[in-house]
Amino acid sequence: EVQLVESGGGLVQPGRSLRLSCTASGFTFDDYAMHWVRQAPGKGLEWVSGIRWNSGSIAYADSVKGRFTISRDNAKNSLYLQMNSLRAEDTAFYYCAKDAGYDNYWYFDLWGRGTLVTVSS
Amino acid sequence: SYELTQAPSVSVSPGQTASITCSGDKLGDEYVSWYQQKPGQSPVLVIYQDIKRPSGIPERFSGSNSGNTATLTISGTQAMDEADYYCQAWDSSTVGVFGGGTKLTVL
Repeated sequence: EVQLVESGGGLVQPGRSLRLSCTASGFTFDDYAMHWVRQAPGKGLEWVSGIRWNSGSIAYADSVKGRFTISRDNAKNSLYLQMNSLRAEDTAFYYCAKDAGYDNYWYFDLWGRGTLVTVSS
Repeated sequence: SYELTQAPSVSVSPGQTASITCSGDKLGDEYVSWYQQKPGQSPVLVIYQDIKRPSGIPERFSGSNSGNTATLTISGTQAMDEADYYCQAWDSSTVGVFGGGTKLTVL
């Protein structure tokens, strides 16, 4: 089955760190770029970060630049998001999303179910 | 930074045509994709590269993009189409941008 499964969410205090993981199955993971997209409860979608197939190019939203780091391990079919210096406004469902392209960003053709990150003291 | 603007809500009667617009500076020069999200579910791609439909998406979904406006059109709208719809494009080909979303209500 073609799917993405996120893990690692939870309750964390402001200023602390958290690492999200996304495990892919059912497709050739290293043929595609990957992304993280988040959605605060009751709010819209916000693109967070993207990484091309070979990690050769990485991009971040201004809201997380310098605090979040995206990475991937193609041997493990896994995508990661290291989140440091977390703020209350980072509270959201975090979705892993597969891009249809590998070297350029096209569109998101597969989404995970999401993992909830809550930043609160 | 690049911004995409959508109306917060659109209402349509069953069987009628719903049009959901997304505006941005010179948006017609970029590819736009559209995502449907129902309550408690992950987003689903319904239109990509302005006009293309993924397999499994009904023919009643169509898209266009010209000038500063992209449009998602749902012909013969059904109750099951009630959802939030988001447009998406790329800023400088590397930074993702979503519109604020439009809640489609089928009355």
